[in-house]
Amino acid sequence: GEDVEQSLFLSVREGDSSVINCTYTDSSSTYLYWYKQEPGAGLQLLTYIFSNMDMKQDQRLTVLLNKKDKHLSLRIADTQTGDSAIYFCAEKRGGANNLFFGTGTRLTVIP
Amino acid sequence: DSGVTQTPKHLITATGQRVTLRCSPRSGDLSVYWYQQSLDQGLQFLIQYYNGEERAKGNILERFSAQQFPDLHSELNLSSLELGDSALYFCASSVGSSVNEQFFGPGTRLTVL
Repeated sequence: GEDVEQSLFLSVREGDSSVINCTYTDSSSTYLYWYKQEPGAGLQLLTYIFSNMDMKQDQRLTVLLNKKDKHLSLRIADTQTGDSAIYFCAEKRGGANNLFFGTGTRLTVIP
Repeated sequence: DSGVTQTPKHLITATGQRVTLRCSPRSGDLSVYWYQQSLDQGLQFLIQYYNGEERAKGNILERFSAQQFPDLHSELNLSSLELGDSALYFCASSVGSSVNEQFFGPGTRLTVL
């Protein structure tokens, strides 16, 4: 299909790990991204992974890529209340310059 | 702060009207992308300009048009506005025409009454 799919909601307790999942569509996608959108704000690029990598770690963030299943995940360790936001995965499909975004996952961190 | 600026932050107008949204890319970035975020359609790519020329088109309506000026700022023109055009309009920029990172501005929230 055409859609990049994400679960709509995720709630975690402060201090726990959060895992946000995404299924993308194009096996020729070259880069896969995670963006964060806080209320009333724009999209902040958190991290991205090249399609020939399986994992990328950046401080509290770990991105896992399963190319066979076209599955991408973002793990946030030691989740804080400031992590509450909507998280979008996006893919850069082969031959396209623009990004294709998922529906977004609203992460709520419970104190 | 991504370095991408957009004005205005909010815009309220009536059906049938025309508006212009403005975007200044990050210093040194040659590409500008416009995206629309609405409740029913999610985040959709509209159009890309690279160094003044249109490079790619997405789901942009014929009532909408854009351009990129010699100083690399871009404007998105929306005309004959309909209620369904109410959305957040984002501009993003990148260094080249096809690169890894796109940096997004804060968006312009358009409300059509």
